[in-house]
Amino acid sequence: QQQVKQSPQSLIVQKGGISIINCAYENTAFDYFPWYQQFPGKGPALLIAIRPDVSEKKEGRFTISFNKSAKQFSLHIMDSQPGDSATYFCAARMDSSYKLIFGSGTRLLVRP
Amino acid sequence: ETGVTQSPTHLIKTRGQQVTLRCSSQSGHNTVSWYQQALGQGPQFIFQYYREEENGRGNFPPRFSGLQFPNYSSELNVNALELDDSALYLCASSGGGSRTEAFFGQGTRLTVV
Repeated sequence: QQQVKQSPQSLIVQKGGISIINCAYENTAFDYFPWYQQFPGKGPALLIAIRPDVSEKKEGRFTISFNKSAKQFSLHIMDSQPGDSATYFCAARMDSSYKLIFGSGTRLLVRP
Repeated sequence: ETGVTQSPTHLIKTRGQQVTLRCSSQSGHNTVSWYQQALGQGPQFIFQYYREEENGRGNFPPRFSGLQFPNYSSELNVNALELDDSALYLCASSGGGSRTEAFFGQGTRLTVV
């Protein structure tokens, strides 16, 4: 119940295309869902986050879609750029705790 | 830059040795969490410190221990190192005015040989 399942494991997208990464969770007590971007040799950097009372949140080229009934959420990267090539992690947390439960990661490669 | 700094950046230790990793949290943050990230995997929660007290622990044995100091900086100590302890160790700080967000340092790459 504590798991967050992430797919796909890897993704190749052409420059200008849309990258879509999906996550699913079981624990309905989760109420904060961030996405992190990680470059090799670096720590994860917070990209965008959403709470379950909102179905969509957009920041620049990054959009989170949230489906509370299906217990799923996804990250969309519009107009993907080679600089977006990184590993992306979804995560979930209960607001009563700072403990983040991470997905297994998606390695994104954006080809020029 | 998140303002969270970790030291050292890389470390090589021998099996059975002990190691101490350090983290300086972002200004104004009173909570520090430690995560272990094995190669190709997502970070796994080790434990969290809030105002110098352990405030939650993941599925890690007691040989993983920590401290938080009055200035909210923190240490992670690992005794009796095993080969499987080789990983990137991440520190995240949170709290203060931005309660929900966790900001990670660049990590310490520990290699146990």
